[in-house]
Amino acid sequence: QKEVEQNSGPLSVPEGAIASLNCTYSDRGSQSFFWYRQYSGKSPELIMFIYSNGDKEDGRFTAQLNKASQYVSLLIRDSQPSDSATYLCAVNSGGSYIPTFGRGTSLIVHP
Amino acid sequence: SAVISQKPSRDICQRGTSLTIQCQVDSQVTMMFWYRQQPGQSLTLIATANQGSEATYESGFVIDKFPISRPNLTFSTLTVSNMSPEDSSIYLCSARPAGEYTEAFFGQGTRLTVV
Repeated sequence: QKEVEQNSGPLSVPEGAIASLNCTYSDRGSQSFFWYRQYSGKSPELIMFIYSNGDKEDGRFTAQLNKASQYVSLLIRDSQPSDSATYLCAVNSGGSYIPTFGRGTSLIVHP
Repeated sequence: SAVISQKPSRDICQRGTSLTIQCQVDSQVTMMFWYRQQPGQSLTLIATANQGSEATYESGFVIDKFPISRPNLTFSTLTVSNMSPEDSSIYLCSARPAGEYTEAFFGQGTRLTVV
């Protein structure tokens, strides 16, 4: 059973702080990793993807991947109230076309 | 990226009736999926819609309750049959192009309320 684990939260951070969201996965054959943001009542939207070990930066977002530890994280710098949402981690495992989603972490950025 | 149009966006239905949700992708995609999401919960995969063949259902979901069609590489439907209040949920269509490094895209979702 391929699993993707996330702390459901809520994670509460003050405006301007760094929010750190974490995700672990069970399948060592996993090749690609995605972070989605989902606002309440809306569908998930892709914000970051990462394939290689290390960091990948895109604006205020940084994805970090450590395949040896089977760990992927998302950092949001200078957090804004508009970042308040649920963040879903998704993993594509080798040999399967079905992405595996975590349960999501609720992020609250308070002014 | 792919753009997915899903309709209806919401509906209120009487118990015992059926609702068909449509999903149209603006490009050909290999994989299409149907998810259910209860309020405050994560995504639950209902089935993978296979082009030209029967859908592949996840544990707990059956074809009689959730018949799925996929006549071509850009279109799929999900029917929620003989509805009960427990079927009230958000239903999401998703598509993913072929390849190990491709992401999944989502339709806007259908908010279903069964009364």
